[in-house]
Amino acid sequence: SQTIHQWPATLVQPVGSPLSLECTVEGTSNPNLYWYRQAAGRGLQLLFYSVGIGQISSEVPQNLSASRPQDRQFILSSKKLLLSDSGFYLCAWRPGGGQPNTEAFFGQGTRLTVV
Amino acid sequence: AQSVTQPDIHITVSEGASLELRCNYSYGATPYLFWYVQSPGQGLQLLLKYFSGDTLVQGIKGFEAEFKRSQSSFNLRKPSVHWSDAAEYFCAVGVGSNDYKLSFGAGTTVTVRA
Repeated sequence: SQTIHQWPATLVQPVGSPLSLECTVEGTSNPNLYWYRQAAGRGLQLLFYSVGIGQISSEVPQNLSASRPQDRQFILSSKKLLLSDSGFYLCAWRPGGGQPNTEAFFGQGTRLTVV
Repeated sequence: AQSVTQPDIHITVSEGASLELRCNYSYGATPYLFWYVQSPGQGLQLLLKYFSGDTLVQGIKGFEAEFKRSQSSFNLRKPSVHWSDAAEYFCAVGVGSNDYKLSFGAGTTVTVRA
C-alpha cells in the first residue's frame, strides 16, 4: 500500500533562518506531488505541484521554493524565513498519468512557527 | 478559474442532531468533487468523492453528499452527529489532467455539544 511521510511534525525557526521540509511517498511511482499551506483559520492554499522529477509549478509568488530531486521526494525550502511563513504545511500525492478521477492523499503536516 | 465556497465558517450542532455543510463550486465543466475532514493538528482524510453517475454519494463515517449541477453545489450531510465528528471539513474541486490541481474551500469548523 502507499504511504506518505512528512517531517518534521513541528518546527520553530527564527526569522531569517533557512527552511527545509521533506516529504516522501512509498508504494507508488511517478506520483503527482503537492505542497499546501494552511494559515490559522483559513483554507488550504496550493503552493507548488510537481508532475515529475525536476518539474515544479508554482501557484503563488512567495518566499518559498520547492524541488523534486527524486521521483517520490518533494522538498519545500526557503533561504530566509519571514514571520508570514508561519503556518501548517501539508504535502500530498495523487496517482500520476493524467487520470483526473482520483483523490489526493495527505501527509500529517508540519506546524511551522517563525519567531 | 475554478473556485470553491464554503459559506459557513463555523457550525455548532448537538450530538445526535443532523448536520449539513454547504459547498458551492465554480467551474465550467463537470467537476470532480471531494469532501475531506481534518482533525486538529492532523492531515486531511477523504470522506467521499463525486466523479460521475449517481448524484448522491456515500462516504465513510456515515456521511453522504449530493451533487446538484443546477445549483453548483455539493453539500455534505450526516443524519446523526457523534462527538467524534467535531473537526474541520473541506470541500474541494479537482480540475485538469496531468497538471491536476485540487482547489479547496476555506473550510467549516464543526463543534459538537453534548
